[in-house]
Amino acid sequence: GQNIDQPTEMTATEGAIVQINCTYQTSGFNGLFWYQQHAGEAPTFLSYNVLDGLEEKGRFSSFLSRSKGYSYLLLKELQMKDSASYLCAVRDRITGGGNKLTFGTGTQLKVEL
Amino acid sequence: EAGVTQFPSHSVIEKGQTVTLRCDPISGHDNLYWYRRVMGKEIKFLLHFVKESKQDESGMPNNRFLAERTGGTYSTLKVQPAELEDSGVYFCASSQDAGVPLNTEAFFGQGTRLTVV
Repeated sequence: GQNIDQPTEMTATEGAIVQINCTYQTSGFNGLFWYQQHAGEAPTFLSYNVLDGLEEKGRFSSFLSRSKGYSYLLLKELQMKDSASYLCAVRDRITGGGNKLTFGTGTQLKVEL
Repeated sequence: EAGVTQFPSHSVIEKGQTVTLRCDPISGHDNLYWYRRVMGKEIKFLLHFVKESKQDESGMPNNRFLAERTGGTYSTLKVQPAELEDSGVYFCASSQDAGVPLNTEAFFGQGTRLTVV
């Protein structure tokens, strides 16, 4: 089975940097995804890590340490529109291809002026 | 290009009734998934189709839930009879076939909010 932990809520200031942590305990691992979800909308893909290290994509970066079962999502130059839920998800063993994901409960980020 | 679409966006039904949710994946995506989020909890996997075949249905709660994907295009998820604990948001997602790189993400629909009263 899989167990994924991330903080429930975080608050940060516009223009600042915030780091959202995610730890996981899994029987199998084939990649870690971060999704952003605004209330009432579809989760949208932000980043993917399968090897250790940092992946950067514009204002968003994601880090993975497989030995520690740990990832973080780093958001820079925060904007008000970044207020959303951030979901950490681990892909299990790949059987027949595909993206069977196990999600954390999500971190609700509030960006304030 | 159209994304993953789900219908209806909201549904309120009485306990014991039947509800059918529909998902239209992104055109050409062989993989289709159903997930569910119950209030206050994480999004949980229900099942995975590859084209019209059920690849993994280990997350289906019980036999009141029936998913189909006839023809390998759109999918339906029927709940019959519905119970109070079935309330939640049902998400559908799709991704390309297994031959593409592993970093291919799943694209989610906006979900169907089901309320059983």
